[in-house]
Amino acid sequence: QLQLQESGPGVVKPSETLSLTCTVSGGSINRVNQCWDWIRQPPGKGLEWIGTLCYSESPFYNPSLKSRVTISVDTSKNQLSLNLNSATATDTAVYYCGKDDYGNPIEHWGQGTQVTVSS
Amino acid sequence: QLVLTQSPSASASLGASVKLTCTLSSAHSRYAIAWHQQKPDKGPQFLIKINEDGSHRRGDGIPDRFSGSSSGAERYLTISSLQAEDEADYYCQTWGTLIRGFGGGTKVTVL
Repeated sequence: QLQLQESGPGVVKPSETLSLTCTVSGGSINRVNQCWDWIRQPPGKGLEWIGTLCYSESPFYNPSLKSRVTISVDTSKNQLSLNLNSATATDTAVYYCGKDDYGNPIEHWGQGTQVTVSS
Repeated sequence: QLVLTQSPSASASLGASVKLTCTLSSAHSRYAIAWHQQKPDKGPQFLIKINEDGSHRRGDGIPDRFSGSSSGAERYLTISSLQAEDEADYYCQTWGTLIRGFGGGTKVTVL
């Protein structure tokens, strides 16, 4: 059964880079027609899509975050990564990774990891 | 611009039915959507995918109390025989070429 597990530092200082990893188990991250997503949820608020990386394609991002975000895959480790630079308090959120098959919604979610931006 | 609109809250009595609405922006009115359930302090869970024609597919293990339908730019989630465990936040989600998006969420209260 496919499982996704987010990990990373729980606290990031303002202006630094927020870096997270999503480790995939129970399946390969490198398969045709698969897409991998990052989503976040600020405290008490709704879900916000950050960006997506599909098999053999360039990643695409939420326009509101595009200038600060990079998503990549390490196929040797079966991991998805998120880098969000110039972090501010408004980036404080629970960060989730997800998987969808091309043309379909997110059907697999990680459990999420809390990130707080604070000095 | 891709926009999905949801009412902030809905409520119904135990054992009754509740119908949630997700409205797509006009330029995206033919898109399929999905509904995800999020219980307090938990991650979201995929419930159901709903196509423009109202056909739908539930996620693995999702009971048939959860059903979907569609009309124009609106996509619906109906929860029948409402149970206490259905009290949660419900988010609609859509996707397209180089785009993803979520609605603002609907909080369902079981009375």
